[in-house]
Amino acid sequence: NAGVTQTPKFQVLKTGQSMTLQCAQDMNHEYMSWYRQDPGMGLRLIHYSVGAGITDQGEVPNGYNVSRSTTEDFPLRLLSAAPSQTSVYFCASTISTGGGYTFGSGTRLTVV
Amino acid sequence: GQQLNQSPQSMFIQEGEDVSMNCTSSSIFNTWLWYKQDPGEGPVLLIALYKAGELTSNGRLTAQFGITRKDSFLNISASIPSDVGIYFCAGQLWGAQKLVFGQGTRLTINP
Repeated sequence: NAGVTQTPKFQVLKTGQSMTLQCAQDMNHEYMSWYRQDPGMGLRLIHYSVGAGITDQGEVPNGYNVSRSTTEDFPLRLLSAAPSQTSVYFCASTISTGGGYTFGSGTRLTVV
Repeated sequence: GQQLNQSPQSMFIQEGEDVSMNCTSSSIFNTWLWYKQDPGEGPVLLIALYKAGELTSNGRLTAQFGITRKDSFLNISASIPSDVGIYFCAGQLWGAQKLVFGQGTRLTINP
């Protein structure tokens, strides 16, 4: 059982480039989220989805887009990378609201 | 926005010692969660608390949901080397998708 799979694990981008961080889960979870983790700040919610076709903004959504065309996949798009987006990104999923989220192993992104 | 204050920020202990850490909030939560993060990995859920006053154990770990619903505590008894890592508390309101995380407690164990 793979759980939550994130790719790539590491990525270096130049300022202004765009890219998509992939996230897939095989647990048939309806709820999926993207968080970013910065030193000393814990994890902050970027975007979330409560099911296929439904997404909403979290705490720090600027500069990011998401879509949810299937239950399994929830990609995060960086439209025009900026150094402030250097961070570790985590995708998470859960079967129901109030339940503990299962996290992927993260994507470490550096924007130069 | 909502913030959680987690303390201490770091702990340096001897193997075998007990550990206590806590999380406080200016607002109430309906759910408190405790996660552990190992280097290069995502957080892993340790304990979930759903009721004010609830005390829940998972092996050597014990966590409590504060009676005011604004705080939570995690205790680790008889620490072992594999307990090393960063521990995060997180709060959640019913029906909300957002987890509010504390800043983390970094635990280091001297053998």
